[in-house]
Amino acid sequence: AQSVTQLDSQVPVFEEAPVELRCNYSSSVSVYLFWYVQYPNQGLQLLLKYLSGSTLVKGINGFEAEFNKSQTSFHLRKPSVHISDTAEYFCAVSRTGFQKLVFGTGTRLLVSP
Amino acid sequence: NAGVTQTPKFRVLKTGQSMTLLCAQDMNHEYMYWYRQDPGMGLRLIHYSVGEGTTAKGEVPDGYNVSRLKKQNFLLGLESAAPSQTSVYFCASSTGPGQGDNQPQHFGDGTRLSIL
Repeated sequence: AQSVTQLDSQVPVFEEAPVELRCNYSSSVSVYLFWYVQYPNQGLQLLLKYLSGSTLVKGINGFEAEFNKSQTSFHLRKPSVHISDTAEYFCAVSRTGFQKLVFGTGTRLLVSP
Repeated sequence: NAGVTQTPKFRVLKTGQSMTLLCAQDMNHEYMYWYRQDPGMGLRLIHYSVGEGTTAKGEVPDGYNVSRLKKQNFLLGLESAAPSQTSVYFCASSTGPGQGDNQPQHFGDGTRLSIL
């Protein structure tokens, strides 16, 4: 079975500063990895996904993530955040893209001026 | 450009009442899912369906039933609501085998359900 750990429940950061949201996973088989974002009172939107190939994945809104198999991590980064990036971010894993996702508990990113 | 639509968006129930949440998708997706989201717990899978007429249990199925009579609809039922079922419920859909590359799940905007 797969599991996902997001160690930080909340990450405060100032506008234009860089940010990294951490995600570690455990699985005995190859997995697919995802980051989703949830803005207040909305559903989840896909930020980026890793299915195979290059370990550095670029997503929407300037976010990127790096798949590190040896460390079983898939950390999300952005070099300069905006106020509008304030949201909750979920890391998720699945054995295939269309099978059931296992989500982490989420990290709330709080961007202040 | 509807994607995944959930009905209703908000509902307040009394303990013991029943209700059905409706999820509709217009993307011809094979797979559909129901999740619940609770503070500090992320999203947990309740039930899912891999095609019309099929359903399967997820991580937290107790107290819920589902049906997938039509490919585009996935219904979540609470037969006798309990306060522990107060949550935000999300429906999602995705492609299945033979529908192209692995695609991510698409989510609805959620249903906020309060059980008093």
